[in-house]
Amino acid sequence: AQSVTQLDSQVPVFEEAPVELRCNYSSSVSVYLFWYVQYPNQGLQLLLKYLSGSTLVESINGFEAEFNKSQTSFHLRKPSVHISDTAEYFCAVSAGGNDMRFGAGTRLTVKP
Amino acid sequence: NAGVTQTPKFRVLKTGQSMTLLCAQDMNHEYMYWYRQDPGMGLRLIHYSVGEGTTAKGEVPDGYNVSRLKKQNFLLGLESAAPSQTSVYFCASMPGQNSPLHFGNGTRLTVT
Repeated sequence: AQSVTQLDSQVPVFEEAPVELRCNYSSSVSVYLFWYVQYPNQGLQLLLKYLSGSTLVESINGFEAEFNKSQTSFHLRKPSVHISDTAEYFCAVSAGGNDMRFGAGTRLTVKP
Repeated sequence: NAGVTQTPKFRVLKTGQSMTLLCAQDMNHEYMYWYRQDPGMGLRLIHYSVGEGTTAKGEVPDGYNVSRLKKQNFLLGLESAAPSQTSVYFCASMPGQNSPLHFGNGTRLTVT
């Protein structure tokens, strides 16, 4: 089965600084990749997804992620973060089957 | 359009007691899932269903049972609760394979 590793459990960063949240996956077949965001006391919400086509995908709030097949990575980046980006971020992988597997999460804390 | 609704939001059980968590979705989605979220472990799949009347085991199914008698509802049962089942439980649904998941807001369960 597919699996996901998020390399950083916590990432503190100052407001307006750039950030990268790292995600690596393993799978023996082609994959579909997702980033979800979880705000306190809420369920997860889709941030962005890679299904096919361009390897660079963007969200409406300035995040982007790049699918790198050779490095089996799907890192999430934002050039300038805001206080409101403070949340937990989950990388997830689906390998064409019926289930989706999640990483352990990265807690992003944006400080003023 | 309520999306995915979970009830109850909170519950405290004593060891050995039983309970059922209810998940309802109004989006006519075929696929429904139950995950548990524990600190440092991300989301782990308990059971899932690919359609009315079908269920399948995920990563951590032991101690749980599920039923999908109606397309819009997915029930998660604990027959004899254990402290190890203290967790936050999330229900999710999606319209088809490799689609993004839509999550409920979670049920926080404590077993003493």
